[in-house]
Amino acid sequence: AQSVTQPDIHITVSEGASLELRCNYSYGATPYLFWYVQSPGQGLQLLLKYFSGDTLVQGIKGFEAEFKRSQSSFNLRKPSVHWSDAAEYFCAVGAGTGGFKTIFGAGTRLFVKA
Amino acid sequence: DGGITQSPKYLFRKEGQNVTLSCEQNLNHDAMYWYRQDPGQGLRLIYYSQIVNDFQKGDIAEGYSVSREKKESFPLTVTSAQKNPTAFYLCASSPGTAVQETQYFGPGTRLLVL
Repeated sequence: AQSVTQPDIHITVSEGASLELRCNYSYGATPYLFWYVQSPGQGLQLLLKYFSGDTLVQGIKGFEAEFKRSQSSFNLRKPSVHWSDAAEYFCAVGAGTGGFKTIFGAGTRLFVKA
Repeated sequence: DGGITQSPKYLFRKEGQNVTLSCEQNLNHDAMYWYRQDPGQGLRLIYYSQIVNDFQKGDIAEGYSVSREKKESFPLTVTSAQKNPTAFYLCASSPGTAVQETQYFGPGTRLLVL
């Protein structure tokens, strides 16, 4: 069955430090992969997505993610974190099996310290 | 501005009461979705609709009902059969239901049981 695992429930980084959020997926075919961000009490916003081609994907707000098929991973990175990046981040996989299905991970909450 | 609106922001339900959550979009999207979000569990799909007058059950449809009489509206009713309704409810839409479609989320409704 398809699944998405985000191993870190929460992460704390200092402002200006680099960030990497981990995401592992389980899916038999070529996956469609997404990262969404959710500010407290708000809906989700798409950061970036991967379907094919270049395995390094650029997104909004300075985020990027790299698809590694051999590791079944799609980790999100940012070289320098800003206080406004504090939020919850969700990795998701689109699993096309003749109908709609997007599976979301449980999320990683990012705390940014001054 | 195009987007998705959800109302109310907070909703209180008494025992045995049905309540309806509103979701409206002016993005001219065909597909709409309802998700339930609980802490540490990510998003779980309740119902989705690919087109007007059609909708499908998601993973946790029991105790919920929907209608899709207009393209822009997809209200969710939480019935008295839903024994644990306290959660954050997110509505989303997308142009179509292909797995690579980006979903656009509303700001959510928090439902609390009195």
